[in-house]
Amino acid sequence: KAGVTQTPRYLIKTRGQQVTLSCSPISGHRSVSWYQQTPGQGLQFLFEYFSETQRNKGNFPGRFSGRQFSNSRSEMNVSTLELGDSALYLCASSLDSGNYNEQFFGPGTRLTVL
Amino acid sequence: GNSVTQMEGPVTLSEEAFLTINCTYTATGYPSLFWYVQYPGEGLQLLLKATKADDKGSNKGFEATYRKETTSFHLEKGSVQVSDSAVYFCALSELNNQGGKLIFGQGTELSVKP
Repeated sequence: KAGVTQTPRYLIKTRGQQVTLSCSPISGHRSVSWYQQTPGQGLQFLFEYFSETQRNKGNFPGRFSGRQFSNSRSEMNVSTLELGDSALYLCASSLDSGNYNEQFFGPGTRLTVL
Repeated sequence: GNSVTQMEGPVTLSEEAFLTINCTYTATGYPSLFWYVQYPGEGLQLLLKATKADDKGSNKGFEATYRKETTSFHLEKGSVQVSDSAVYFCALSELNNQGGKLIFGQGTELSVKP
């Protein structure tokens, strides 16, 4: 079974631009979560999608948004990029967030904002 | 709110040494507890988990016991190898009627020298 895939793996943008990151979960998984990893703040939860609906949201500004498609693939978007948005963005999938026993992580997208 | 605290790194050990990475948590209810490992340039991999008090999770020689009385989930390995060099994250699952998320500790970097 293929694991969680994220594209692109690396991205360089400049301040003020916007960016879209993509995540394909493991086949059959319906829950997709996004996390931001930075040296200063560590791993922080962004949001979770289940059956195309955002079910949970972390404490991030509205510039961070996401969506999930009917095939469970998910995208996250960051608008008006700031230098502080430079991070590794990790996507994780699980069968169902109601039985929260295991999340499988993708390799991440490394975003650099110049 | 819920939180996870890990011992600070980096931890440097010689091959075949005994490893302990301390992890304590604060949570309402009875969350599941996890240890994830991150190798350089990669995403997170689940190392082991425990879903209720006194459960012992184990994998690849690593083990951790869910201690409700001390709110701890310390990671141990009897004999580390150079290949165990990585960053280790302790995490708990937080569930509510809006879905779920993982709350991570700050991570502990382990370096094993031959």
